Amino acid sequence: DSGVTQTPKHLITATGQRVTLRCSPRSGDLSVYWYQQSLDQGLQFLIQYYNGEERAKGNILERFSAQQFPDLHSELNLSSLELGDSALYFCASSVGQVRIDEQFFGPGTRLTVL
Amino acid sequence: AQSVSQHNHHVILSEAASLELGCNYSYGGTVNLFWYVQYPGQHLQLLLKYFSGDPLVKGIKGFEAEFIKSKFSFNLRKPSVQWSDTAEYFCAVNARNTNAGKSTFGDGTTLTVKP
Repeated sequence: DSGVTQTPKHLITATGQRVTLRCSPRSGDLSVYWYQQSLDQGLQFLIQYYNGEERAKGNILERFSAQQFPDLHSELNLSSLELGDSALYFCASSVGQVRIDEQFFGPGTRLTVL
Repeated sequence: AQSVSQHNHHVILSEAASLELGCNYSYGGTVNLFWYVQYPGQHLQLLLKYFSGDPLVKGIKGFEAEFIKSKFSFNLRKPSVQWSDTAEYFCAVNARNTNAGKSTFGDGTTLTVKP
């Protein structure tokens, strides 16, 4: 158990829908990262938040957005879902933001878009 | 931009065989290097990391990796694998001393150890 929690574990939805994935970082960690793991693209960095502010952006689609709340939990919103969005979405957390330390990964949310 | 290349997509070994998984990265600056492992049905967890100092890094479960700066490589090794090492292994890199939090991961190598 890494201390990072993600809900839900599984999510099945239809194309065109919108879903929200939730992540709670380890106690004391200020940074939250979102990754997408799909069969054809491997593990892709999406976005990082540090203490409520966006810090880095990766290959995140415009249909996707995220935020980090004052209690440091984060949500990843995926809208206008397409079949290709089916993937495992991982959240990770770390203590800091600049000198990157070990990232602790959550168990992931498996999204299936039908 | 950073990139990471893992040479082997799938490696199959018998127990007690030696393991070496290749990882090469592309980046012009100073980097931090990581190996993560994902056991079947579990989340990613850190095996080992290199920030500075001794380029031979020892991690958990008998794994080690050597950073060779001239070759931009960070290969993972284990002298004798066990069936329980069956997992997917990811090499990752991020740029040091920037505010860019992104880690770039390789595509992963699936290791299957036959009992």
